[in-house]
Amino acid sequence: AQSVSQHNHHVILSEAASLELGCNYSYGGTVNLFWYVQYPGQHLQLLLKYFSGDPLVKGIKGFEAEFIKSKFSFNLRKPSVQWSDTAEYFCAVSHYGGATNKLIFGTGTLLAVQP
Amino acid sequence: DVKVTQSSRYLVKRTGEKVFLECVQDMDHENMFWYRQDPGLGLRLIYFSYDVKMKEKGDIPEGYSVSREKKERFSLILESASTNQTSMYLCASSFGGGDEKLFFGSGTQLSVL
Repeated sequence: AQSVSQHNHHVILSEAASLELGCNYSYGGTVNLFWYVQYPGQHLQLLLKYFSGDPLVKGIKGFEAEFIKSKFSFNLRKPSVQWSDTAEYFCAVSHYGGATNKLIFGTGTLLAVQP
Repeated sequence: DVKVTQSSRYLVKRTGEKVFLECVQDMDHENMFWYRQDPGLGLRLIYFSYDVKMKEKGDIPEGYSVSREKKERFSLILESASTNQTSMYLCASSFGGGDEKLFFGSGTQLSVL
């Protein structure tokens, strides 16, 4: 079965620090990859996604992620975080070409950015 | 903007009660999903539906059932609520046809006493 691992459960950074959140998945075939974010008191929303093509994808608010197929990884990065990036971040993977497109989520990473 | 509306933000029920959680989306999406979100466990898929009256089990369907009589509405049913079903329940929808971007509702925090 597919699984998604997020190794960082809690991350605390100061403003302007660089961010990298790890995400690894277990499925060996073609996958679609996502990062979702949940700001305090808000809905989950899509941050960025990878379907095919350039393995470096850019999302909203200056976030980017790099798909490394050989490492089964899809790490999220931001060069300089802001206090407003405080949120919970979820990595998700879906199996390409399946009859239905269900997403499997990781356990989430809570990011706290200190001003 | 797509709107996914969950009928209750907070719900308190007693053990053994039958509980209905309602979700409505307004963008004619094909797919609808029910997840539960628990601290340290992330989002776990309970059930999903890819068409009216069509449903499939997710990863943790035990103790739950679903109903999709109309395209816009997807209901989650707890047949006999138990304390281990205390959780945040999230409904989501997507266009389908390969577009997997999920739109989430604001969630229902269910407490079973």
